Amino acid sequence: QVHLVQSGAEVKKPGASVKVSCKASGYTFTTYGVTWVRQAPGQGLEWMGWITTYNGHTNYAQKLQGRVTMTTDTSTTIVYMELRSLRFDDTAVYYCARALRGGAQDYWGQGTLVTVSS
Amino acid sequence: EIVMTQSPATLSVSPGERATLSCRASHIISTNLAWYQQKPGQAPRLLIYDASTRATGIPARFSGSGSGTEFTLTISSLQSEDFAVYYCQQYHFWPQYIFGQGTKLGIK
Repeated sequence: QVHLVQSGAEVKKPGASVKVSCKASGYTFTTYGVTWVRQAPGQGLEWMGWITTYNGHTNYAQKLQGRVTMTTDTSTTIVYMELRSLRFDDTAVYYCARALRGGAQDYWGQGTLVTVSS
Repeated sequence: EIVMTQSPATLSVSPGERATLSCRASHIISTNLAWYQQKPGQAPRLLIYDASTRATGIPARFSGSGSGTEFTLTISSLQSEDFAVYYCQQYHFWPQYIFGQGTKLGIK
């Protein structure tokens, strides 16, 4: 059974960094990419980027370029998303999701709330 | 930059009735479109991918259609558990896999 389990909630100050983990299980890890999607309170879904798990190749949403880094550890089947220079409007629930070859996301983590507060 | 526009923003339908949700892309995206359902406090759930293919475990009352720039999600006979927010997402233009702003489906 496919599972994506994310790390717990975080509270950070503006300007700090946050690193969220996503542990995948129940499938061959390197066969699928992983994407990250975030959702600000009461808002819609925002696609953040994609990581190809077998080689670590990444593609990021233009608005987050330079602030976000996604990495993968194939030995532990964990994907990480680090967001730097946090701002108040980065407050959101961050989701990881398994990506089908075409691009749709079929299994999702439970979400990690990141709160940016002074 | 591609824009995905969903309509209506809010839809009220009675249980047992049909619901039709629309999604329009600002550029041609072939059939590279997915639909997701999201309930409060939960992660999104994939319903449809490649515009018309139901994801694993999704009931047959959910169907998707369309290609190019116009897409539709139809729920043939609404059940109580179907009242939620629905999002479309394009994955034709890499790497900007933009979501629509969502349609909130409520009980009439």
